[in-house]
Amino acid sequence: NAGVTQTPKFQVLKTGQSMTLQCAQDMNHEYMSWYRQDPGMGLRLIHYSVGAGITDQGEVPNGYNVSRSTTEDFPLRLLSAAPSQTSVYFCASSYSHRASSSYEQYFGPGTRLTVT
Amino acid sequence: AQSVTQLGSHVSVSEGALVLLRCNYSSSVPPYLFWYVQYPNQGLQLLLKYTSAATLVKGINGFEAEFKKSETSFHLTKPSAHMSDAAEYFCAVSPRGGSEKLVFGKGTKLTVNP
Repeated sequence: NAGVTQTPKFQVLKTGQSMTLQCAQDMNHEYMSWYRQDPGMGLRLIHYSVGAGITDQGEVPNGYNVSRSTTEDFPLRLLSAAPSQTSVYFCASSYSHRASSSYEQYFGPGTRLTVT
Repeated sequence: AQSVTQLGSHVSVSEGALVLLRCNYSSSVPPYLFWYVQYPNQGLQLLLKYTSAATLVKGINGFEAEFKKSETSFHLTKPSAHMSDAAEYFCAVSPRGGSEKLVFGKGTKLTVNP
């Protein structure tokens, strides 16, 4: 299994541009989440999904959109990039509590985004 | 709302010394608790987890943590630090039945001196 994969690894955007960060998992996990990591802030939840067609906001959702059309994929869209969105973005997935007693999230390698 | 406090953003120990990284949580009911490790320019790797079985949890690389409900703590320890333990460590909490939403502490960067 490849686990959780993210593309691209690095991206530089200009203010106002839009882009999509890709995330895919091959573990048949129901749950998927997006976090951003900033120095001294830990990881903060942006959006999450508990299954195909179901998404919800996390702690810092503004400026980001998500959709979940398949179990495997959970893309994160930046609508109009701002310098405040410069960060490292991590995608994670996990089993639902009904499917497994595993509970932990599995993380992708991250995407480092710079907005100038 | 749940929250996690990690005391000490930077901890420095000598090789062979005890490692103690502190984590306190706030939750109305006992949650699930996790420690993750992040090596430079990498993703997060699970070290260990508490999900209401034994209160003393053993993880990978010789780390362990003890869940203390009375102190709302889940401190991470390792008896003897190794140079390869240098990394950033994150404590995280999730509600029972809610593994899609982790709340992370701000992290503790561990330096191991020769």
